[in-house]
Amino acid sequence: DIQMTQSPSTLSASVGDRVTITCRASQSISSWLAWYQQKPGKAPKLLIYKASSLESGVPSRFSGSGSGTEFTLTISSLQPDDFATYYCQQYNSYWRTFGQGTKVEIK
Amino acid sequence: QVQLQESGPGLVKPSQTLSLTCTVSGGSISSGDYYWSWIRQPPGKGLEWIGYIYYSGSTYYNPSLKSRVTISVDTSKNQFSLKLSSVTAADTAVYYCARDRQPGGYSEMDVWGQGTTVTVSS
Repeated sequence: DIQMTQSPSTLSASVGDRVTITCRASQSISSWLAWYQQKPGKAPKLLIYKASSLESGVPSRFSGSGSGTEFTLTISSLQPDDFATYYCQQYNSYWRTFGQGTKVEIK
Repeated sequence: QVQLQESGPGLVKPSQTLSLTCTVSGGSISSGDYYWSWIRQPPGKGLEWIGYIYYSGSTYYNPSLKSRVTISVDTSKNQFSLKLSSVTAADTAVYYCARDRQPGGYSEMDVWGQGTTVTVSS
């Protein structure tokens, strides 16, 4: 299986901060990567697909980049609604796998 | 707008079979435009993809669960279902159904159900 490793596991930040989350794949996945946001008690919400495509309706402060084995999710100016857990997920193989998650907390 | 809703027992005894159904509204499973997935999340932990199905009945399962998982589809009811056999406490989780935006396996999941909690306990 393709292992996905996110860093950091937890991130403390303030409103207005620029935030970057990294996701590394154990082998090349081309650009077959998605990012999801999950709030407590809620289902994950798709933010980014194909590594850098912004899902419709998602604020433009969210952006994704990378290809191959290293990817980043950037929030350009953190808003109160953005405090949540973020997951990357590869779909390069039929066996989809997720990163372990990055919790973005209020500093 | 497509919506997904999971349903099924919230409590299952160890060694029994967990059975859940996902009802799709606002769109047809038979359109052939999407794959339909199951994902789970143990309490306080991350997400695990279980498997997916196409309207034709073709499936692909997470190899780590394959021996215990069956996903089926009922196009007449616009539903797809999950069965997980020989459950243990480790199968306690929130179970989500979701839609793959593209058929063929290389797809993000763009629509999710709200999730249903299943506890395995005697």
